Amino acid sequence: AQKITQTQPGMFVQEKEAVTLDCTYDTSDQSYGLFWYKQPSSGEMIFLIYQGSYDEQNATEGRYSLNFQKARKSANLVISASQLGDSAMYFCAMREGSGTASKLTFGTGTRLQVTL
Amino acid sequence: KAGVTQTPRYLIKTRGQQVTLSCSPISGHRSVSWYQQTPGQGLQFLFEYFSETQRNKGNFPGRFSGRQFSNSRSEMNVSTLELGDSALYLCASTLGGITEAFFGQGTRLTVV
Repeated sequence: AQKITQTQPGMFVQEKEAVTLDCTYDTSDQSYGLFWYKQPSSGEMIFLIYQGSYDEQNATEGRYSLNFQKARKSANLVISASQLGDSAMYFCAMREGSGTASKLTFGTGTRLQVTL
Repeated sequence: KAGVTQTPRYLIKTRGQQVTLSCSPISGHRSVSWYQQTPGQGLQFLFEYFSETQRNKGNFPGRFSGRQFSNSRSEMNVSTLELGDSALYLCASTLGGITEAFFGQGTRLTVV
């Protein structure tokens, strides 16, 4: 089974609108972390937001928020007030376990296109 | 503070050659992980180093190897290059454990 599932290969959103990118995950660990990254065409992977499995509040970073629904194993990224510069690939990722291992498992990504 | 630095940014090699990629993590970060990104396979974990020790390894052939130095800088080496090794290689730096992971700009390797 896929550990990270992103079901939207591509999304369009108009400038200034909000958009939600879906991510579901599968793990039997109680302690894990969920990440969202943005990858523009230049290739660099830009860290956006992080949610720990024990965090009770949804993570927020500026225009980014993570809608964390633990029972449903979902960690959707919400981008408010979209900008043209938000056009990029977006990856959801998970790190499992409470030890010091740092392996990330990525989803297949969602390509977001922001239009005028 | 300085981010994660990967060198070189671009590389063209011939089949059968070997290549070494370098990654300097954020100051104070002791964990360095390497990932391969291809259009067909997506992002795949190669290996992770923490305090000069390999802690975790992905499902890649032995041609892929790495090491970490005492200053936390890491190198990965690919020997006997194949066309399928053409990819974007990304390095991630973390303090260790379940914390934010920051990536470098990647090295784009083309094997011809």
